[in-house]
Amino acid sequence: EVHLVESGGGLVKPGGSLRLSCVASGFTFTDAWMSWVRQAPGKGLEWVGRIKRKADGRTAVYGAPVKGRLTISTDDARDTLYLQMNSLNIEDTAVYYCVTEGYTYGYHSLGVWGQGTTVTVSS
Amino acid sequence: QSALTQPASVSGSLGQSITIFCTGTSSDVGGYDYVSWYQQHPGKAPKLIIYNVSHRPSGVSYRFSGSKSGNTASLTISGLQAEDDSDYYCSSYASSSSVVFGTGTEVTVL
Repeated sequence: EVHLVESGGGLVKPGGSLRLSCVASGFTFTDAWMSWVRQAPGKGLEWVGRIKRKADGRTAVYGAPVKGRLTISTDDARDTLYLQMNSLNIEDTAVYYCVTEGYTYGYHSLGVWGQGTTVTVSS
Repeated sequence: QSALTQPASVSGSLGQSITIFCTGTSSDVGGYDYVSWYQQHPGKAPKLIIYNVSHRPSGVSYRFSGSKSGNTASLTISGLQAEDDSDYYCSSYASSSSVVFGTGTEVTVL
């Protein structure tokens, strides 16, 4: 069974940094495109960015609101996805989900979701 | 990339059918057959219910169906049941190589 478990969320001051992790199991991690999606309290879903599969060079693409401040990477030996977040501001407060993109179902569908980890940016 | 437009809320009675529309542009919904729909219950992670415009993942009820015409996609829920009371989001691949979500629709089963 495909399983994703995020960790690393917490309370951080504006301007601070945080690294989220997502451990994958039940599938071949290196074959999967992986995305991060976030959801601010009481708000809708927002795509943060993706990293392509290893065969595609693990290149990353980011959504406009986070470009330049957030970095997606992987440790393929540990089947782990990361989201490094720098220069955090209050608007980054959200639940962050790790998701497979197009792996199980159609291209660019977000098929399997983790349970989410909460990031709170506050002074 | 702007969010796709969905109605804020839709309601229907038990057993009825409802349709949720998701409007984008030729750079996202109209340009690709990569529209997906997600169901999200309060406090839970979203669940994929439709992919590639009209395909259902295994285990998803046949009561959920999707379609697309031009820049607008739609999700129809037939035979509304109490457990369909939830939030629904559409998403689409976009020309910027990103994924864009809809604004979300709260479905209330009366």
